Amino acid sequence: TQLLEQSPQFLSIQEGENLTVYCNSSSVFSSLQWYRQEPGEGPVLLVTVVTGGEVKKLKRLTFQFGDARKDSSLHITAAQPGDTGLYLCAGAFVYGNKLVFGAGTILRVKS
Amino acid sequence: SQTIHQWPATLVQPVGSPLSLECTVEGTSNPNLYWYRQAAGRGLQLLFYSVGIGQISSEVPQNLSASRPQDRQFILSSKKLLLSDSGFYLCACNGVSTDTQYFGPGTRLTVL
Repeated sequence: TQLLEQSPQFLSIQEGENLTVYCNSSSVFSSLQWYRQEPGEGPVLLVTVVTGGEVKKLKRLTFQFGDARKDSSLHITAAQPGDTGLYLCAGAFVYGNKLVFGAGTILRVKS
Repeated sequence: SQTIHQWPATLVQPVGSPLSLECTVEGTSNPNLYWYRQAAGRGLQLLFYSVGIGQISSEVPQNLSASRPQDRQFILSSKKLLLSDSGFYLCACNGVSTDTQYFGPGTRLTVL
């Protein structure tokens, strides 16, 4: 059973479009992380959200943590080809040493 | 901030051969260390993690083993590789908070 359901699995859009990636679970997380990974490289941490309802912005990227801390979303405004990559969400549990990862969303932005 | 090194970057091995992948961490002490495998550029499967020297927790029964001989060194091994061991292997360590993890550049393993 996948503890973190990530959707969509694949997204191909034109430059300038907006998009949202979702990460959902029936479990409550102490925090949730979003990573971006390019082919052949390790994932790079984008943001950590900790408080229910929290919204964080990183340039054109907006991250939101659900009020119940069970879900999160990543919204990209005016996507650019440089945004292309694999986006991963990962949840942490209280008193845990491990992260649970979603299956990832492959984003392709065409110019 | 921490820096994670992995080597080799790529490896092609025949079935039945041994394996040793190394991960070292700089810029932190007493980190939690993790080995993940990633198939086809998708989600990460946690293989092993360690909270200290000589302490290894295995997440999935398999053909692999891990060791932590030094505080900032984590090794992934196998005595006899299987075709199914092919994949992209990532080493990670935690940040200031155990909620966040930072990843190395990965090792691409192909078993033929």
